[in-house]
Amino acid sequence: SQTIHQWPATLVQPVGSPLSLECTVEGTSNPNLYWYRQAAGRGLQLLFYSVGIGQISSEVPQNLSASRPQDRQFILSSKKLLLSDSGFYLCAAGRLGGTGELFFGEGSRLTVL
Amino acid sequence: ILNVEQSPQSLHVQEGDSTNFTCSFPSSNFYALHWYRWETAKSPEALFVMTLNGDEKKKGRISATLNTKEGYSYLYIKGSQPEDSATYLCAFIRSSNTGKLIFGQGTTLQVKP
Repeated sequence: SQTIHQWPATLVQPVGSPLSLECTVEGTSNPNLYWYRQAAGRGLQLLFYSVGIGQISSEVPQNLSASRPQDRQFILSSKKLLLSDSGFYLCAAGRLGGTGELFFGEGSRLTVL
Repeated sequence: ILNVEQSPQSLHVQEGDSTNFTCSFPSSNFYALHWYRWETAKSPEALFVMTLNGDEKKKGRISATLNTKEGYSYLYIKGSQPEDSATYLCAFIRSSNTGKLIFGQGTTLQVKP
């Protein structure tokens, strides 16, 4: 089965500072990769997904960006964090095509002060 | 904009009660529907992946049905136990098959012993 490693687990950053959250996947090749965010009191909002190396689709206009430099590596970044970027971020991997279940990382809690 | 709606938002039941929740999704261009259970301090875990109209799936005391023509899925829990307490999420994929999963906001279930 797939294992999703995500780090850091907790992050407290000042407004205007950069961000890098990293996600790596074991146990599969050529997965679909996803970044989701759960803001307080809300469900999972899809931020980015990728069907292959260098292929990134952005779902909502925002202060964040994503990159997939390797098949099983997915990075979420920001050049300058905003207060509204605070939340719980989850990386997920799924079978290409989307019919298979998603496997999630343990999440990263970001607090922007 | 794809809207996936779940109801109720939260639910409190007594141990032994049976319960059900609803997931509504766009009925056009259906590809797949997923159900996940998200326990506190853990990652979401897949319960079911459903792809065919009329699908019924079961795992222990939990079962799900799917109606793609009218755009809804029900999740049933028979004889709820305290360990069933979690947030239950559904996610929808359209037939464009980009692998893009859109989640509902979840139903949070609390089972009192």
